[in-house]
Amino acid sequence: DAGITQSPRHKVTETGTPVTLRCHQTENHRYMYWYRQDPGHGLRLIHYSYGVKDTDKGEVSDGYSVSRSKTEDFLLTLESATSSQTSVYFCAISVNPTSGNTIYFGEGSWLTVV
Amino acid sequence: DAKTTQPTSMDCAEGRAANLPCNHSTISGNEYVYWYRQIHSQGPQYIIHGLKNNETNEMASLIITEDRKSSTLILPHATLRDTAVYYCIVRGDIIQGAQKLVFGQGTRLTINP
Repeated sequence: DAGITQSPRHKVTETGTPVTLRCHQTENHRYMYWYRQDPGHGLRLIHYSYGVKDTDKGEVSDGYSVSRSKTEDFLLTLESATSSQTSVYFCAISVNPTSGNTIYFGEGSWLTVV
Repeated sequence: DAKTTQPTSMDCAEGRAANLPCNHSTISGNEYVYWYRQIHSQGPQYIIHGLKNNETNEMASLIITEDRKSSTLILPHATLRDTAVYYCIVRGDIIQGAQKLVFGQGTRLTINP
């Protein structure tokens, strides 16, 4: 599992409230990612990080922000949650990014916005 | 990114080899082929990847055609626990060293007793 821990694993929140999901890794990997998965859309990249304080947008970044103040933690924040952000969120890390890159995923965080 | 085409679903008998095909006719010379699987309600699991040569690990074998336009993932002795959605992915963009994988819809493999 590449030492990835996501928290919380399940959360129900109300529309308009802020939500932060945490991804924690124990193996000092440089690259970290947040994906969301929805029926009919598969896995889509939200944001990624290539180092401490270095982040960039993926294909579905609207409504999300991220922060990485230390190597081991990558936080995904929904500033004002909407029902369209009800989804399963997966954190991932990549190993050996310069050749034959391998990405490992966490177990997911189920978020329901009511 | 090179586009991949996989069958929507496949069935295989337990104990037999499961062969999952993938077409990636627009693959570039330096793009790797990756296979992941996702068992219901779990995170995607890395299986194997390759560039040109066939690869084998403890989970599966990957056969890539000489022209690299297609590949086959082989699970040599399928078990019920191999029932999952299998994704064939050609490496996407690398920006600042970060790998951006693009997942398609995958193949839903069902292993039957």
